[in-house]
Amino acid sequence: GAGVSQSPSNKVTEKGKDVELRCDPISGHTALYWYRQSLGQGLEFLIYFQGNSAPDKSGLPSDRFSAERTGGSVSTLTIQRTQQEDSAVYLCASSLIPRGGGEQFFGPGTRLTVL
Amino acid sequence: AQRVTQPEKLLSVFKGAPVELKCNYSYSGSPELFWYVQYSRQRLQLLLRHISRESIKGFTADLNKGETSFHLKKPFAQEEDSAMYYCALSGLNTDKLIFGTGTRLQVFP
Repeated sequence: GAGVSQSPSNKVTEKGKDVELRCDPISGHTALYWYRQSLGQGLEFLIYFQGNSAPDKSGLPSDRFSAERTGGSVSTLTIQRTQQEDSAVYLCASSLIPRGGGEQFFGPGTRLTVL
Repeated sequence: AQRVTQPEKLLSVFKGAPVELKCNYSYSGSPELFWYVQYSRQRLQLLLRHISRESIKGFTADLNKGETSFHLKKPFAQEEDSAMYYCALSGLNTDKLIFGTGTRLQVFP
């Protein structure tokens, strides 16, 4: 079956513009995660959606970052007024089994470059 | 504070040599520990998790709670093991993963 998909694969934007990144999780997966992979920082957790529960937003670096998940499936990560330090690969993952021990399946990522 | 430390950015070995990728963690409670791997031009994928106590592609990892370590080992490295390896943890009440900064393993022929 299809894995996690993300779009666009690459995004180049100018400082100050808003961007939207999309994630399509594996069908039936109740949990969805966003991570950021940047040079020197490794992989950072951003936000986590689990079913109908309130999302865990503890990893969002600033109020310029927000995410939503519509209908328990597709998710959009929005970055407003982008800054150069937002340049990174943004990874989405989904999993079937909540509460620890569940394998997370990652998408190919969106490479964001802020000029 | 929750933290995962991978002290080596790069580990280079020859084919057939033993490999140990180090991982130490800091977590108040009982975490779940994982190794994820990213081969060149491929997605990040799970290699193994400590609760399964399994060997995958010849790799094993033992959770040492006293030393708060979860080192990844393989007795005889293969060229196809060359990849980026990430150690990660999650807590019992949350599935978000806390990753280390990763170790790049290079296996030379």
